[in-house]
Amino acid sequence: GQQVMQIPQYQHVQEGEDFTTYCNSSTTLSNIQWYKQRPGGHPVFLIQLVKSGEVKKQKRLTFQFGEAKKNSSLHITATQTTDVGTYFCAGTDKLIFGTGTRLQVFP
Amino acid sequence: EAQVTQNPRYLITVTGKKLTVTCSQNMNHEYMSWYRQDPGLGLRQIYYSMNVEVTDKGDVPEGYKVSRKEKRNFPLILESPSPNQTSLYFCASSFGDRGTDTQYFGPGTRLTVL
Repeated sequence: GQQVMQIPQYQHVQEGEDFTTYCNSSTTLSNIQWYKQRPGGHPVFLIQLVKSGEVKKQKRLTFQFGEAKKNSSLHITATQTTDVGTYFCAGTDKLIFGTGTRLQVFP
Repeated sequence: EAQVTQNPRYLITVTGKKLTVTCSQNMNHEYMSWYRQDPGLGLRQIYYSMNVEVTDKGDVPEGYKVSRKEKRNFPLILESPSPNQTSLYFCASSFGDRGTDTQYFGPGTRLTVL
């Protein structure tokens, strides 16, 4: 069946450093969504990408959808302590969530 | 306020004792689903519902039941809980009937089965 893997599983960064998480699907995705889950909280929708090669930005966050629509990335520039949490990608074809990347930011 | 609510938030129970986790949304969403979250495995879908009286299995349905008698409610039933069902459970809803829209998650229910 369809699988969506994310790497890395964990990432510890110093505040101000950049961070990237990668999402890879075993099959082509129609759309991809990204969610953020703060510690002790629930996943919250960040963005949806639809087109091949699409790039969207939200302040310090840059989201990219691969040309083949089988991978995606989330890049955070100059991380802040408020970025702490787990980031999930999700393919909307069957709502398969990735395994998540947990980000820890040290001040 | 638009929201998804779940009850209870925390539950400790014993093997074999039937339990129900309730989920309710006030956004008139068509699609509702249940997920379980386990370390290293991400969010895995248990069951979903595209509309009233329409439910279907997700990736990990064994040991669970659901019902959708009303649009706003989607309870998760564990007829005979076992320790491997200890997990963090999330209910979610979305506008369209295919689940391809933004998912709105409830606050979560942390279940421990002894």
